[in-house]
Amino acid sequence: DAGITQSPRYKITETGRQVTLMCHQTWSHSYMFWYRQDLGHGLRLIYYSAAADITDKGEVPDGYVVSRSKTENFPLTLESATRSQTSVYFCASSESGAGVRSDNEQFFGPGTRLTVL
Amino acid sequence: GIQVEQSPPDLILQEGANSTLRCNFSDSVNNLQWFHQNPWGQLINLFYIPSGTKQNGRLSATTVATERYSLLYISSSQTTDSGVYFCAVEPTWWTGANSKLTFGKGITLSVRP
Repeated sequence: DAGITQSPRYKITETGRQVTLMCHQTWSHSYMFWYRQDLGHGLRLIYYSAAADITDKGEVPDGYVVSRSKTENFPLTLESATRSQTSVYFCASSESGAGVRSDNEQFFGPGTRLTVL
Repeated sequence: GIQVEQSPPDLILQEGANSTLRCNFSDSVNNLQWFHQNPWGQLINLFYIPSGTKQNGRLSATTVATERYSLLYISSSQTTDSGVYFCAVEPTWWTGANSKLTFGKGITLSVRP
């Protein structure tokens, strides 16, 4: 299917375990993003990527690792999950980045609801 | 960083009523988007509107960039319009390889039959 997909949609894990959330987009967008959504904090940027092999930290990167070996995939790994990482995670993509109007519209995936026990 | 304030925080409408949702931002922007988060959690793009006016069916949006606000109009509301509406912006000073949307806290809309 065309668009942006995330897997799994729901995940329950235990404290200390490694978890990887997958994100795949079919538009060949250069930019990809990971956000987390929490009550009281809204959506906050974790990491973003301007192209394959180019990633950078967002507002709340601690405890997360990303990689981008292929343009279409942007996995997010929690190396040692903590309860504070219980959240809904959204992946997004856009054709271009800052300062390029009309191409920097972001499109979001369906989200992954992660619970850390 | 840029501040984004949305009002009102909550809104209850009777089906068929019209409403206006407001987004104020503290700096000039290159990107402004309105999203609807439905009861299943999906974020749906409504408008990409850093300036000007757009319409899509019963929804329309206007951004007055010089005065740093945007309005989302919903006419003849339906129960399916219920959910949370987010405004998100990217400031013009955010340049280079970076791209970052800052979200407001959202407006929770409930449309009653």
